[in-house]
Amino acid sequence: KAGVTQTPRYLIKTRGQQVTLSCSPISGHRSVSWYQQTPGQGLQFLFEYFSETQRNKGNFPGRFSGRQFSNSRSEMNVSTLELGDSALYLCASSSYPGVGGYEQYFGPGTRLTVT
Amino acid sequence: AQTVTQSQPEMSVQEAETVTLSCTYDTSENNYYLFWYKQPPSRQMILVIRQEAYKQQNATENRFSVNFQKAAKSFSLKISDSQLGDTAMYFCAFMKQGGATNKLIFGTGTLLAVQP
Repeated sequence: KAGVTQTPRYLIKTRGQQVTLSCSPISGHRSVSWYQQTPGQGLQFLFEYFSETQRNKGNFPGRFSGRQFSNSRSEMNVSTLELGDSALYLCASSSYPGVGGYEQYFGPGTRLTVT
Repeated sequence: AQTVTQSQPEMSVQEAETVTLSCTYDTSENNYYLFWYKQPPSRQMILVIRQEAYKQQNATENRFSVNFQKAAKSFSLKISDSQLGDTAMYFCAFMKQGGATNKLIFGTGTLLAVQP
């Protein structure tokens, strides 16, 4: 089974631009979560999608948004980029959450640099 | 709100020795899951071990075991017979049970270096 894939792997953007990151979960997984990883703030939960619906959202400004498609692929978008958005963005997929606690499989991440 | 604390930013261990990584958490929930994830340098994060809060027995996965103390809200990871491939950042994480969510709350991580 192919693992979680994220594209692109590396991205350099300028302040004020917007960016779209993509995540393809493991086949059969319907839950996709996004995390931001920075040296200063560590790993922070952005949002989670299941069956094209956002189930949970972290404490991030409205510039961060996401969506999930019918094939479970997910995208996240960051508008009006700021220097502080430079981070490794991780995507994780899981089978149906149910009561939670299912193992999450992480992708390699997208390294976003904002200049 | 739940918090996870890892008080050891960095640790070092000799190959074949045993090392214990500490993790404490704070929650008012009674039912939850705890995890240890490993993130090797420039590689993907993978699950090391998982513990259900309702289980008193400590989880074990080969050379990895946990010491789960629910009353003390402590969840340490013991790595036996350390190998060079264990060099990585280790994250302790909390997940609430119920609510149909997979949201993980991570600690700040412990960078473990296994020395030859």
